[in-house]
Amino acid sequence: EPEVTQTPSHQVTQMGQEVILRCVPISNHLYFYWYRQILGQKVEFLVSFYNNEISEKSEIFDDQFSVERPDGSNFTLKIRSTKLEDSAMYFCASKAGSNTGELFFGEGSRLTVL
Amino acid sequence: AQSVTQPDIHITVSEGASLELRCNYSYGATPYLFWYVQSPGQGLQLLLKYFSGDTLVQGIKGFEAEFKRSQSSFNLRKPSVHWSDAAEYFCAVDSGTYKYIFGTGTRLKVLA
Repeated sequence: EPEVTQTPSHQVTQMGQEVILRCVPISNHLYFYWYRQILGQKVEFLVSFYNNEISEKSEIFDDQFSVERPDGSNFTLKIRSTKLEDSAMYFCASKAGSNTGELFFGEGSRLTVL
Repeated sequence: AQSVTQPDIHITVSEGASLELRCNYSYGATPYLFWYVQSPGQGLQLLLKYFSGDTLVQGIKGFEAEFKRSQSSFNLRKPSVHWSDAAEYFCAVDSGTYKYIFGTGTRLKVLA
């Protein structure tokens, strides 16, 4: 069964360092997402991406964050200068089309900022 | 604005007992609704979804949910809970603007 894969599964970084989280969405999907879950809290929307551009972003997704689809398969989330409060589980998700509705999530990348 | 409310933060049931997890949504049009399950340290797995049609939807692992427009609810049910059902459950609505909105989750504990 096709699945969304994420790497790394866990990354520990020092405050102020740049982090790149990688995702390989399901191959025929067109919509890509990043969500964040701070430990013990709800799953929060960060950004959606379609047709090689951001379609929507939340207030969490400030100038420190960026997304890119550098080739036909990868979808990355970059945090330029990490802060302690960026520590969270980051989930990548993809969806086939706007009307099918179902998001498929990856297993997540746990980011720990020290 | 769209929102999802899960009133119960924690629920504890005995193995074999029935389960109902509550979800209320706020959405202007007919919503697309979902229930996801998250085991500790794991990702989100889709249990079931409602798009249209029959308001009682069946999902995986013996779960079902009923969409009630009059009550703006989409409660998740299971007739007999198994110890392996212990997890966190999230209700979500497709906002229609490229994103899902999740509830705060309900953590289920199952007593042997």
